[in-house]
Amino acid sequence: GAVVSQHPSRVICKSGTSVKIECRSLDFQATTMFWYRQFPKKSLMLMATSNEGSKATYEQGVEKDKFLINHASLTLSTLTVTSAHPEDSSFYICSAREPYSDEQFFGPGTRLTVL
Amino acid sequence: GNSVTQMEGPVTLSEEAFLTINCTYTATGYPSLFWYVQYPGEGLQLLLKATKADDKGSNKGFEATYRKETTSFHLEKGSVQVSDSAVYFCALPRGNAGNMLTFGGGTRLMVKP
Repeated sequence: GAVVSQHPSRVICKSGTSVKIECRSLDFQATTMFWYRQFPKKSLMLMATSNEGSKATYEQGVEKDKFLINHASLTLSTLTVTSAHPEDSSFYICSAREPYSDEQFFGPGTRLTVL
Repeated sequence: GNSVTQMEGPVTLSEEAFLTINCTYTATGYPSLFWYVQYPGEGLQLLLKATKADDKGSNKGFEATYRKETTSFHLEKGSVQVSDSAVYFCALPRGNAGNMLTFGGGTRLMVKP
């Protein structure tokens, strides 16, 4: 099946710094990628939908100036958490959808810890 | 939009026990239905799916049948193993566009030897 990677898998940063997370589709071109946030023992919360070459569509309540999403190519989307605070600590998961398919392929996740 | 409800966990079973995790949905039309599994510390993996009513998805001994009469997509396995310990998510497209997925709350399964 299709493979999606994320980098880094784990990051620890100081409060006030910015962190960039990469999501790559390794063997297919993903016109659409999704970013999720997962709190401990909770389900996934969709943060935004990222379309290649256009601005991301954010879910209600998600600050677009804090969570910057860039989908510069058909195989790469990045999520930048700006001026991170401890409450931003979470597990961030991306997924990618193949064109003409309703199936999403998920990355392994990035655990962000903000001290 | 479409929505999904699944049973809360945790579900604790002994090895070789029978597993059922309930999932019911509300949807317009007949969207594809999915079960995803999340092993500790990892992202989600597609476990199985069904694309139309009465379809049965199966993988790794797990099965789920798309039942429109009861709007259900229950996950079953006849004999669980310790390695099946994970969190299981039922999901379906949020709307008719089939673009975004909406997930159930997840059910944690713990299998004891």
